[in-house]
Amino acid sequence: QITLKESGPTLMKPTQTLTLTCTFSGFSLDTSGVGVGWIRQPPGKALEWLAVIFWNDDKRYSPSLKSRLTITKNTYTKQVVLTMTHMDPVDTATYHCVQRGRHSGPDDHWGQGILVSVSS
Amino acid sequence: SYVVTQPPSVSVAPGQTATISCAGNNIGSKSVHWYQQRPGQAPVVVISYDRDRPSGIPERFSGFNSGNTATLTISRVDAGDEADYYCQVWGPTTEGFGGGTKLTVL
Repeated sequence: QITLKESGPTLMKPTQTLTLTCTFSGFSLDTSGVGVGWIRQPPGKALEWLAVIFWNDDKRYSPSLKSRLTITKNTYTKQVVLTMTHMDPVDTATYHCVQRGRHSGPDDHWGQGILVSVSS
Repeated sequence: SYVVTQPPSVSVAPGQTATISCAGNNIGSKSVHWYQQRPGQAPVVVISYDRDRPSGIPERFSGFNSGNTATLTISRVDAGDEADYYCQVWGPTTEGFGGGTKLTVL
């Protein structure tokens, strides 16, 4: 059974750097094709794809957020970390960790999400 | 960046067919996945790779992708299909979601 769980701060101030950790189980991130990524959803708004990292360390980022995002993995601890710099109130959202079995998606497995609020 | 457009809302009577579009430049050359999101829940894949139905998804759900538009079709709609639906587009240098469509069953 594949599970993913997000952890990190739930309240941030503007300009701070967000660090989110996804701890997963039920699969290995050194299996060919597998990727773990992040998707966010502001309250009452649409899904927004952020980034994904693959088994071979290939990475893809949202073009509009690329300058602020970094995604890394640790295959041994079964964790993927997303950092987002210069947080702003518009970044308030539920951040989901997701898993896909192939490079071209879809994201078959989702974590429950973590609500991150940004406020001064 | 690549722009993907969905209608904000679609309404349909029970038993009828709902069609939700996902428009983008030459989207037919990319892979499209569709998700259903019920209130308070994480999204679930209902169609992958344009037209493939994952195990457990009813045959009433179907997909098509050609030219500049991908389409999710739900036949014999019932109240349980009321949800937000999102298309996700994948290409060699492109990845992202449409703005979502709220399906209302009248």
